[in-house]
Amino acid sequence: KAGVTQTPRYLIKTRGQQVTLSCSPISGHRSVSWYQQTPGQGLQFLFEYFSETQRNKGNFPGRFSGRQFSNSRSEMNVSTLELGDSALYLCASSPSGYNEQFFGPGTRLTVL
Amino acid sequence: AQRVTQPEKLLSVFKGAPVELKCNYSYSGSPELFWYVQYSRQRLQLLLRHISRESIKGFTADLNKGETSFHLKKPFAQEEDSAMYYCALSGHNNNDMRFGAGTRLTVKP
Repeated sequence: KAGVTQTPRYLIKTRGQQVTLSCSPISGHRSVSWYQQTPGQGLQFLFEYFSETQRNKGNFPGRFSGRQFSNSRSEMNVSTLELGDSALYLCASSPSGYNEQFFGPGTRLTVL
Repeated sequence: AQRVTQPEKLLSVFKGAPVELKCNYSYSGSPELFWYVQYSRQRLQLLLRHISRESIKGFTADLNKGETSFHLKKPFAQEEDSAMYYCALSGHNNNDMRFGAGTRLTVKP
């Protein structure tokens, strides 16, 4: 089975811009979760989608949003980028959500 | 609210020494606890989960509900164990996985 893929792998944006990141889960996995990873804060949960519905949301401002398509692929969007949004954004998929998660390689976002 | 605490950001031991990575959690229901590992230049991956009660790569972890802990242990550390380790918690009936801040383990030769 192919693993979780994320595109793009690297992204450089400037403050105020918006960005869309994409995640393709493992075939058959219906749950997709997003995390922000930074050296200072570690791994922080953004949100989780299952069958195109957001089931859980972490403690992030409304600038962070996401969606899931009928084929389980997911996108997350960050609007009005701030310097502090620079991070590695990880996507993980699982069959149902509350069992083992399989992580993608991440998208490294740099905001200048 | 569910929370995972890993009190040590860095841990360094010599090869062959025992190692224990600490994890404490707070959760009002029945949690599912996991340890994830990230080796250099590799993806984050599951190491073990408490309900499996198995030993992976010589690592074990026991859920202590009284102390709300899920410490990861290995009796004899190897250099290839050097990695970033994350403790994670998922509520039995909810769907978000909360991770601790991580502990970077370095095993010196």
